[in-house]
Amino acid sequence: LAKTTQPISMDSYEGQEVNITCSHNNIATNDYITWYQQFPSQGPRFIIQGYKTKVTNEVASLFIPADRKSSTLSLPRVSLSDTAVYYCLVLKRSARQLTFGSGTQLTVLP
Amino acid sequence: GAVVSQHPSRVICKSGTSVKIECRSLDFQATTMFWYRQFPKQSLMLMATSNEGSKATYEQGVEKDKFLINHASLTLSTLTVTSAHPEDSSFYICSARGTGTPSGTIVPDTQYFGPGTRLTVL
Repeated sequence: LAKTTQPISMDSYEGQEVNITCSHNNIATNDYITWYQQFPSQGPRFIIQGYKTKVTNEVASLFIPADRKSSTLSLPRVSLSDTAVYYCLVLKRSARQLTFGSGTQLTVLP
Repeated sequence: GAVVSQHPSRVICKSGTSVKIECRSLDFQATTMFWYRQFPKQSLMLMATSNEGSKATYEQGVEKDKFLINHASLTLSTLTVTSAHPEDSSFYICSARGTGTPSGTIVPDTQYFGPGTRLTVL
């Protein structure tokens, strides 16, 4: 499984756009990039998944450059309720398991 | 779509007793279910992987006789912590991976997580 590296913590203010970048230098050709959000004492919630270029859904966008060695999760206009830990994971579609790194603690300030 | 439930959400038991935790995929069939454990301020650690109708595969260091996993149907997996001890106190989270739904509301082969079960062993 490709190892991921992401910042341990980030602070932002309400209404701002937040970009969390994850590096995955040894990503393989058939690996996908997946992001989860976790609030305290809750299970992780799937946010978005992508393979290349850009993916957008109702809550976030995922930007993946051509070399796919990194990815950026973009959260538009964050609110206090977006304070959570965000995990970046790399997996094969048929992967037997997910390996969670330490994640990024995002704190949104008023 | 993609709802995974766990029951109970919280359990407190005495040392030496056994505790069963249920994990259900409510709106899709889960070909594979996973069980994780998370200690305070730490990330999730995979304990075992189970496929419907077959024996679970345990990660290194996880005792299969202590953490019994049954995946009897495509929507239900159970984790039984046998002879629980205080060091087993943790947050247990299951996830389910399916092939998709007729409505297309889940991403195939993506893991969807339950809300977790807080186990406290006195």
